[in-house]
Amino acid sequence: AQKVTQAQTEISVVEKEDVTLDCVYETRDTTYYLFWYKQPPSGELVFLIRRNSFDEQNEISGRYSWNFQKSTSSFNFTITASQVVDSAVYFCALSGGYGNNRLAFGKGNQVVVIP
Amino acid sequence: EPEVTQTPSHQVTQMGQEVILRCVPISNHLYFYWYRQILGQKVEFLVSFYNNEISEKSEIFDDQFSVERPDGSNFTLKIRSTKLEDSAMYFCASTAPGGRSSYNEQFFGPGTRLTVL
Repeated sequence: AQKVTQAQTEISVVEKEDVTLDCVYETRDTTYYLFWYKQPPSGELVFLIRRNSFDEQNEISGRYSWNFQKSTSSFNFTITASQVVDSAVYFCALSGGYGNNRLAFGKGNQVVVIP
Repeated sequence: EPEVTQTPSHQVTQMGQEVILRCVPISNHLYFYWYRQILGQKVEFLVSFYNNEISEKSEIFDDQFSVERPDGSNFTLKIRSTKLEDSAMYFCASTAPGGRSSYNEQFFGPGTRLTVL
């Protein structure tokens, strides 16, 4: 079974501070995919990033960056120089490879950016 | 840019009534999904659908639930006799066909908020 754990529930930061969200996953698949989604107060799910299990290179995309470490089964996500519009719930999700594409979501991190 | 659409955005129903939630996936997508999110909780997988049949379902997806692709564009989720605990946001998603070694992103619709009274 696949499992995603996001231990932090609510995180408050002052605008322009960085915020890092932790995600730990469990899977028996050798090929899998990891995701971060944002859910703003309006309720929709917004895709942010995806990472394949065979590519541990960490990247930066604008103010978003992620740290994927297979050795610790972690896929942490950082928002640099946070803005009020970043206030949302952030979900980490995991999916198996081909033929097993159901997404398993973590419980989410509520991020509150204080102006 | 093509997107997944869902109707209605909010549905209120009485306990025991049947509801049908509708989704229009992106036109060239072949894999379809329903997820639900009870207020304040995580998003949970319900069912996946491919080639006119269910390919996988979770333990939540019991006999009260059914899915259908009645025509070439709609994908529906029916709840036969709603319970209070069915109150949730229901998300539809779709995925384009991909090769054996690839994963294609699931595109989510905006959700239907179901309230059972």
